Amino acid sequence: GAVVSQHPSRVICKSGTSVKIECRSLDFQATTMFWYRQFPKQSLMLMATSNEGSKATYEQGVEKDKFLINHASLTLSTLTVTSAHPEDSSFYICSASGEGGVYEQYFGPGTRLTVT
Amino acid sequence: GESVGLHLPTLSVQEGDNSIINCAYSNSASDYFIWYKQESGKGPQFIIDIRSNMDKRQGQRVTVLLNKTVKHLSLQIAATQPGDSAVYFCAENIAAGNKLTFGGGTRVLVKP
Repeated sequence: GAVVSQHPSRVICKSGTSVKIECRSLDFQATTMFWYRQFPKQSLMLMATSNEGSKATYEQGVEKDKFLINHASLTLSTLTVTSAHPEDSSFYICSASGEGGVYEQYFGPGTRLTVT
Repeated sequence: GESVGLHLPTLSVQEGDNSIINCAYSNSASDYFIWYKQESGKGPQFIIDIRSNMDKRQGQRVTVLLNKTVKHLSLQIAATQPGDSAVYFCAENIAAGNKLTFGGGTRVLVKP
């Protein structure tokens, strides 16, 4: 099956700093990438959808100026958490899909962000 | 799917028994459903999917049942093994939405 990687797998940052998380599709071209956030013992919540070369579409309640998403190529999307606060500590998961769209969505291993 | 907040419902099952995990969805326009398995600290792993024009689909040791009348989805795992211990999520796609909405999740604990 298709492989999606995330980097870093874990990151600790200080409050007020920014942190970037990368999502890569390793063996296919991802026309769409999705970013999810998951708090402990909760489900995955979609934050935004990004299409290569276009601006991301954010879900209601997600601040686009705080969670910057860039999808500059068909294999890479980045999520930057700006001015991070402890409440941003979470498990961030990306997924990628090719031409099959939602019917062909592959998840990354997740990135654990801890803001101190 | 249903949101269960900070407490995931837990299903304890004896090794070798069958497991049934249930999911209620809310949108009658949903046309595609997926079951995922998530182990601690990892991303979701695809188990099985079903489209709304079907009511049953079988995989290896797993069966998904879809009841559109009551908007209910279930995952059956046959001969549950210790490696099946994880959190299981259902997800739905609303037709033309091209994005998945996840249910609240169920933790499965397999007792040896």
